Amino acid sequence: HVQLQESGPGLVKPSGTLSLTCDVSGGSIGSSNWWSWVRQPPGKGLEWIGEIYYSGSTNYNPSLKSRVTISVDMSKNQFSLKLNSVTAADTAVYYCARKYYDLLTGYYVHLDFWGQGNLVTVSS
Amino acid sequence: IVLTQSPDFQSVTPKEKVTITCRASQSIGSSLHWYQQKPDQSPKLLIKYASQSFSGVPSRFSGSGSGTDFTLTINSLEAEDAATYYCHQSSSLPYTFGQGTKLEIK
Repeated sequence: HVQLQESGPGLVKPSGTLSLTCDVSGGSIGSSNWWSWVRQPPGKGLEWIGEIYYSGSTNYNPSLKSRVTISVDMSKNQFSLKLNSVTAADTAVYYCARKYYDLLTGYYVHLDFWGQGNLVTVSS
Repeated sequence: IVLTQSPDFQSVTPKEKVTITCRASQSIGSSLHWYQQKPDQSPKLLIKYASQSFSGVPSRFSGSGSGTDFTLTINSLEAEDAATYYCHQSSSLPYTFGQGTKLEIK
């Protein structure tokens, strides 16, 4: 089974940049899958941030699009999230997850595997 | 697309049958998925495309619906099913989630 593991600072200053990396093991990031970021503020629900294909194609949530960049590094089998100009409202657990392409059906299985999450607090 | 779940919270007893609904603000076909999230854990996929069980999910979990109205059913609830359940649509970007339904086991 594929495994995903987020890493990055747990504390970011207001107006700074949040940077997280997701390491993918047990499978190639260069396969026909999309790689996603989802966040969850403490005690609240889930918000889809965006996704990337190994070719570099991306889709972003318009609510964050002006501040978000998702990138992929095939040599390291990982993908990354950058969110700039952060405020306290960006405090959340950030998850990476896979959108898996099922060759047998031709459909995507959405968010079938998730990382354990990385809590990022925005505070001075 | 806005997804609205009901109820927000439900307290249930073991072996009870539970139904959680998810209503979409516009038709999404069958592009609706259900996740279970236990405290301090990441979400886990239960049901894909409205009614297809994901690998390894107990058979007491089932899903139904299409268009704008969807249902997650848990037959014969077990104590380990205490969690928050989310629906998620992949019909159109940006993908969205319902607000969640928290199940408490009495």
